[in-house]
Amino acid sequence: NAGVTQTPKFQVLKTGQSMTLQCAQDMNHNSMYWYRQDPGMGLRLIYYSASEGTTDKGEVPNGYNVSRLNKREFSLRLESAAPSQTSVYFCASSETRGNQPQHFGDGTRLSIL
Amino acid sequence: GENVEQHPSTLSVQEGDSAVIKCTYSDSASNYFPWYKQELGKRPQLIIDIRSNVGEKKDQRIAVTLNKTAKHFSLHITETQPEDSAVYFCAASDQTGANNLFFGTGTRLTVIP
Repeated sequence: NAGVTQTPKFQVLKTGQSMTLQCAQDMNHNSMYWYRQDPGMGLRLIYYSASEGTTDKGEVPNGYNVSRLNKREFSLRLESAAPSQTSVYFCASSETRGNQPQHFGDGTRLSIL
Repeated sequence: GENVEQHPSTLSVQEGDSAVIKCTYSDSASNYFPWYKQELGKRPQLIIDIRSNVGEKKDQRIAVTLNKTAKHFSLHITETQPEDSAVYFCAASDQTGANNLFFGTGTRLTVIP
């Protein structure tokens, strides 16, 4: 039972480079989320997808794009990486109805030089 | 949007003592409040949650209380053990229907053997 799987686990980029963070869940959840975690700031929502075919901005969407490829997969793209995007990125999934808990992946540690 | 404040930011207790972490929220419409535990370098993991139709929930050594009038909720850990050492995050739901969560900034709990 894999739950939420994120790839890669670590990545170093140069300023201006692009990359896509991958996330897949095998729990048949409708909703998926991308967060960033910075020291002393908790988890902040970047984008979310309430259901297949829909995506919406969260608290800190600038500099990011997302794609809900199908019910299982939700990717996060950095088009032109900046040092301010150095962070740990977590993907999560949940059922949508009834205030259900979110289940997190292991995270991607991203450094932008 | 929702604003969640969490205190204290760090907490040290002797093994066997109790630990209490408090959170306040701003949106009176929030009705779901989960707590997550995050060990160093690991994913956040749900330890307990409470919905607004109850005032208290207990699971072995962990309990959560909710005061909707005052808009605050607390995590109580009794008989603390060294393996309880971690960062704990509270969260509150929003009302977009997408099950979004707003997180506090975390409490680093250290249990001293």
